[in-house]
Amino acid sequence: DGGITQSPKYLFRKEGQNVTLSCEQNLNHDAMYWYRQDPGQGLRLIYYSQIVNDFQKGDIAEGYSVSREKKESFPLTVTSAQKNPTAFYLCASSLGDSSYEQYFGPGTRLTVT
Amino acid sequence: RKEVEQDPGPFNVPEGATVAFNCTYSNSASQSFFWYRQDCRKEPKLLMSVYSSGNEDGRFTAQLNRASQYISLLIRDSKLSDSATYLCVVNSGRALTFGSGTRLQVQP
Repeated sequence: DGGITQSPKYLFRKEGQNVTLSCEQNLNHDAMYWYRQDPGQGLRLIYYSQIVNDFQKGDIAEGYSVSREKKESFPLTVTSAQKNPTAFYLCASSLGDSSYEQYFGPGTRLTVT
Repeated sequence: RKEVEQDPGPFNVPEGATVAFNCTYSNSASQSFFWYRQDCRKEPKLLMSVYSSGNEDGRFTAQLNRASQYISLLIRDSKLSDSATYLCVVNSGRALTFGSGTRLQVQP
């Protein structure tokens, strides 16, 4: 059963702590993406990767870091440098570049207090 | 100017109504266009791609007007289950750009 999984669904952290969100896909997709969504707003691109061991900053990369050591996995670390980390984080994957549709995981709701 | 603009709504329509959403985009080089549906507190799901000649999928019809740089989505015979936020999505070279969405509420 192919798809994208994100864990955990809900995450609570104290301010000043780094936290890593997991994203795994078994769709054999080359490209993977991380977005952030704030209430009532659209998705904003944090980082994306079109191939293993390579990734690019999106529009709001400050305070975030990623790695792409395996095709299936694209974890996102929210660092203590991110000023407003509380948000809904969505991971997506696609066959190739931006001309392809993207498929999303169920998301992780991060709350930092 | 935003890269992708949508009327946020909400559009409140009775069951069985026909409703249309428009979306404008600013990058004339965009080549790929999609409509996604997002239910409250869930992930976006692909509804349909939008092709140059227009395309239909059941009760849903998508149109693209490159000259005016807008995309439309028409929903016929609205169902209660169509209530959701509809996201217009356009590729902008390196990644997809998502509109903020148009909220649809279908009422009994």
